[in-house]
Amino acid sequence: NAGVTQTPKFQVLKTGQSMTLQCAQDMNHEYMSWYRQDPGMGLRLIHYSVGAGITDQGEVPNGYNVSRSTTEDFPLRLLSAAPSQTSVYFCASSPPSGGKREQYFGPGTRLTVT
Amino acid sequence: AQSVSQHNHHVILSEAASLELGCNYSYGGTVNLFWYVQYPGQHLQLLLKYFSGDPLVKGIKGFEAEFIKSKFSFNLRKPSVQWSDTAEYFCAVNAQGFQKLVFGTGTRLLVSP
Repeated sequence: NAGVTQTPKFQVLKTGQSMTLQCAQDMNHEYMSWYRQDPGMGLRLIHYSVGAGITDQGEVPNGYNVSRSTTEDFPLRLLSAAPSQTSVYFCASSPPSGGKREQYFGPGTRLTVT
Repeated sequence: AQSVSQHNHHVILSEAASLELGCNYSYGGTVNLFWYVQYPGQHLQLLLKYFSGDPLVKGIKGFEAEFIKSKFSFNLRKPSVQWSDTAEYFCAVNAQGFQKLVFGTGTRLLVSP
């Protein structure tokens, strides 16, 4: 199993540009989520999904869109990038477990918005 | 809503010193508790987790944590740290029955040889 994969590893955007961060998992996990990691702020939940076709907002959803058309993929879209979205983005997945199973994290995407 | 506090933002220790990292959470119901570790340049990995039962849980690499319900705490401990324990440590909590995880702000540990 490849686990959780994310592409790209690094990205530089100009303010106002849009892009999609890709996340895929091959473990048949129903739950997937996106976090951003900023210094001194830990990981903050952006959006999450409990299964294909179902998504919901986390703590910091503004400026981001998600969709979940398949169990495997959970892309994160930045509609109009802003410097405040400069961050490291992590995707995670876990099997259905009532929250008792660990989340498996991808390697992250480091995004810089200039 | 749940929240998690990690009071130590930076900790510097010498090898063989003992480690205790504080974690307090705020939530009125039953919770699941986790400690994750992020080694330099790597993604987060699970160190240990608590759901129920014995409040002292053991994880990988000699780490353990104690759940004290009355104090809403889940402190991480290791009797003797090694240089390879240099990493950032995150406490996280979710409400039982839900997978949405809330993280603390993290503690950066630097172990000097």
